Amino acid sequence: EAGVTQFPSHSVIEKGQTVTLRCDPISGHDNLYWYRRVMGKEIKFLLHFVKESKQDESGMPNNRFLAERTGGTYSTLKVQPAELEDSGVYFCASSYATGTVGDEQYFGPGTRLTVT
Amino acid sequence: AQSVTQLGSHVSVSEGALVLLRCNYSSSVPPYLFWYVQYPNQGLQLLLKYTSAATLVKGINGFEAEFKKSETSFHLTKPSAHMSDAAEYFCAVDTGRRALTFGSGTRLQVQP
Repeated sequence: EAGVTQFPSHSVIEKGQTVTLRCDPISGHDNLYWYRRVMGKEIKFLLHFVKESKQDESGMPNNRFLAERTGGTYSTLKVQPAELEDSGVYFCASSYATGTVGDEQYFGPGTRLTVT
Repeated sequence: AQSVTQLGSHVSVSEGALVLLRCNYSSSVPPYLFWYVQYPNQGLQLLLKYTSAATLVKGINGFEAEFKKSETSFHLTKPSAHMSDAAEYFCAVDTGRRALTFGSGTRLQVQP
């Protein structure tokens, strides 16, 4: 069974440009999460999809970030325009919809975003 | 709001020595607690989780953690470190929102 995959693995862009990150969850997982780790700090929650609906987007930093999950499969996270403070590692995770809190979240390898 | 504190951003042990990675949490409701490990160039992998079934939780690769409510702690231990245990370890809490709150991570170095 394939794990959570993320593309690209690394992206270097200039301030003001746009970047789109993609996450493919494990097949059959209805829950999809985005997290971010800014250098040296803790991993922070960004948002949670259940199928194609945003269940919780309380962690999204501002309106420069747009997440979508059309059709309830893969998800994209767009940053437009990118700022220097957006640099970090963006993780995607997915979990099966058992309805039980405490379900294991399976993480992807992350996308390292560098904004110069 | 919940929070997680991991004491020690870097821990170094000798091969064969006890591994102890500390995690304290704060939560106004009974938490679900997790330890994840990240090996170089890989995603986070679940080591173990506490969901109130038993206070001593055994995980993969010989790791275990004990939930102590009175101390609000969930420290991770392994009796004998292996070189392959070198990685970064993250403690996390879920208080029902399903959004994990992570500690800042502890990088474990194992000396030969």
